[in-house]
Amino acid sequence: GAVVSQHPSRVICKSGTSVKIECRSLDFQATTMFWYRQFPKQSLMLMATSNEGSKATYEQGVEKDKFLINHASLTLSTLTVTSAHPEDSSFYICSAKDLISYEQYFGPGTRLTVT
Amino acid sequence: GEDVEQSLFLSVREGDSSVINCTYTDSSSTYLYWYKQEPGAGLQLLTYIFSNMDMKQDQRLTVLLNKKDKHLSLRIADTQTGDSAIYFCAENPGGGNKLTFGTGTQLKVEL
Repeated sequence: GAVVSQHPSRVICKSGTSVKIECRSLDFQATTMFWYRQFPKQSLMLMATSNEGSKATYEQGVEKDKFLINHASLTLSTLTVTSAHPEDSSFYICSAKDLISYEQYFGPGTRLTVT
Repeated sequence: GEDVEQSLFLSVREGDSSVINCTYTDSSSTYLYWYKQEPGAGLQLLTYIFSNMDMKQDQRLTVLLNKKDKHLSLRIADTQTGDSAIYFCAENPGGGNKLTFGTGTQLKVEL
């Protein structure tokens, strides 16, 4: 089946620093990728929709200047958490929508801890 | 309500059937999904059903859809310990690309 990878799988950073998370579709092309955030024992909350070659669409309440999204190619989207604070600690999951089949595949997630 | 709702917890004995229920919100959703999440991992798509279907069976999994009541269920036959996980239903409101997830049901399978 289709594979989506995320890198890193786990990151610990100091408050005030920025962290970049990569989401790659390994064996298919995706014009659309999605970024979700999941707090412990809670559901996934959509943060933004990333479109290849254009600006991301952010959900209400998500700061676009804090969560920078870049979708530079059909197989890669990046999420940068800028000036991270402890409240940004969370599990970040991406998904990618296959250009051909329209199915959506999820990455394994990135655990961010801000100290 | 606004949320896609699921019961929080379900416990079954190994070998029994499990039924996980979901009430979704948007009657114009064209697809309803079931995902499985194991601890510390991403989501695995288990199955999905098109909104004009009532039932879909895939090996041990049976999905029932009641569009009138916006109710979706997932039945797992012969539940195994490896089925222990959190199960999320999801819908695509307005038939679009975005998914709205349910609150998740923690399934615990006991020996």
